[in-house]
Amino acid sequence: GAGVSQSPRYKVAKRGQDVALRCDPISGHVSLFWYQQALGQGPEFLTYFQNEAQLDKSGLPSDRFFAERPEGSVSTLKIQRTQQEDSAVYLCASSLASGRSRPYEQYFGPGTRLTVT
Amino acid sequence: GENVEQHPSTLSVQEGDSAVIKCTYSDSASNYFPWYKQELGKRPQLIIDIRSNVGEKKDQRIAVTLNKTAKHFSLHITETQPEDSAVYFCAASQRDDKIIFGKGTRLHILP
Repeated sequence: GAGVSQSPRYKVAKRGQDVALRCDPISGHVSLFWYQQALGQGPEFLTYFQNEAQLDKSGLPSDRFFAERPEGSVSTLKIQRTQQEDSAVYLCASSLASGRSRPYEQYFGPGTRLTVT
Repeated sequence: GENVEQHPSTLSVQEGDSAVIKCTYSDSASNYFPWYKQELGKRPQLIIDIRSNVGEKKDQRIAVTLNKTAKHFSLHITETQPEDSAVYFCAASQRDDKIIFGKGTRLHILP
């Protein structure tokens, strides 16, 4: 079946522009995660949704970052007034269930490479 | 919060030899330890995982060990092949929650 998809795959923004990154999780997956991966580093957690509820946004680096998942499926990560330090790959992952006694595998999308010039 | 340390950052091994990557974690509440492989420009792919009620798990040429007391876990790849060349990330998590990744190990398989 279809995996996690993300769009656009590449985005170049001028400093100060707003960007919106989209994530389509695997159908039926309850949990959705956003991670930021800087060049040569491991992915770093940004925020997490269970259905439409944003349960953890502790990783968002500033109030310029905003994420939503209004219908519990597709999610959008928005970055306002982009800065050069926002340049990174933004990865989305989804998992089947949450709130169970055992965790579930997170399936990653291909990422969106954001370059701020 | 959780902190995951990973060593070495770069590892070169001769084809056919074994590779070992070691990680430590800080939060004793972590109970799920996945390992991801990431090829250049590609998404992270889960290759094996271990849960805190298990000390060792093996899948063909890949094995993971977990020492909960010492908060150490390791990845072992035997009979390495050229297609094993990639960046490997260890990680720690609690239940179905955010994953905290290590900084990665770049593995080079030498011909």
